[in-house]
Amino acid sequence: GAVVSQHPSWVICKSGTSVKIECRSLDFQATTMFWYRQFPKQSLMLMATSNEGSKATYEQGVEKDKFLINHASLTLSTLTVTSAHPEDSSFYICSASPLGRINSPLHFGNGTRLTVT
Amino acid sequence: QQQVKQSPQSLIVQKGGISIINCAYENTAFDYFPWYQQFPGKGPALLIAIRPDVSEKKEGRFTISFNKSAKQFSLHIMDSQPGDSATYFCAAKGGSEKLVFGKGTKLTVNP
Repeated sequence: GAVVSQHPSWVICKSGTSVKIECRSLDFQATTMFWYRQFPKQSLMLMATSNEGSKATYEQGVEKDKFLINHASLTLSTLTVTSAHPEDSSFYICSASPLGRINSPLHFGNGTRLTVT
Repeated sequence: QQQVKQSPQSLIVQKGGISIINCAYENTAFDYFPWYQQFPGKGPALLIAIRPDVSEKKEGRFTISFNKSAKQFSLHIMDSQPGDSATYFCAAKGGSEKLVFGKGTKLTVNP
């Protein structure tokens, strides 16, 4: 089955620093990947849609200068949380669906737990 | 605006019982309805999905029932097991490819 890998699985950083999270599709190509954040005991909230070779599309209320997204290849998207603050602490999850397969489901990574101290 | 409403928020079932989770949607453009299972500290995993052209889909102990006219769909877990204890999310997607999630149901199956 399609596998989406995220790295790191958890990270602790100091306030004011930046953190990069990688999302890779291991056995398929994806022109589009999605980034979500999930607070404890809550649902997934879509942050942005990552498009290979073009700018990401951000959901309303998500700061694009704070959450930088780069989708440089068909198998890799990165999310950089810049100048992180404690309120950015959350569970970040990416997803992707195989390129060219009509009606293919979204596959999710195992998430990255970010803690900002 | 919550596009997919999920209930109940939490559910406790005895081992061997049937777990039922319900979802309702408003956007008639939705044409794909997956259910995801999420264990603590993990990403959601696709459990089962259905499209509006069928009213029911079964995979093992998991069944989706779909009522297009009522714009409702539900997940039934037969013979529920303690290992099924997790949070379940219904979701819906339309032509925009953006997946919209329900708020989740925390299922606890007691041994």
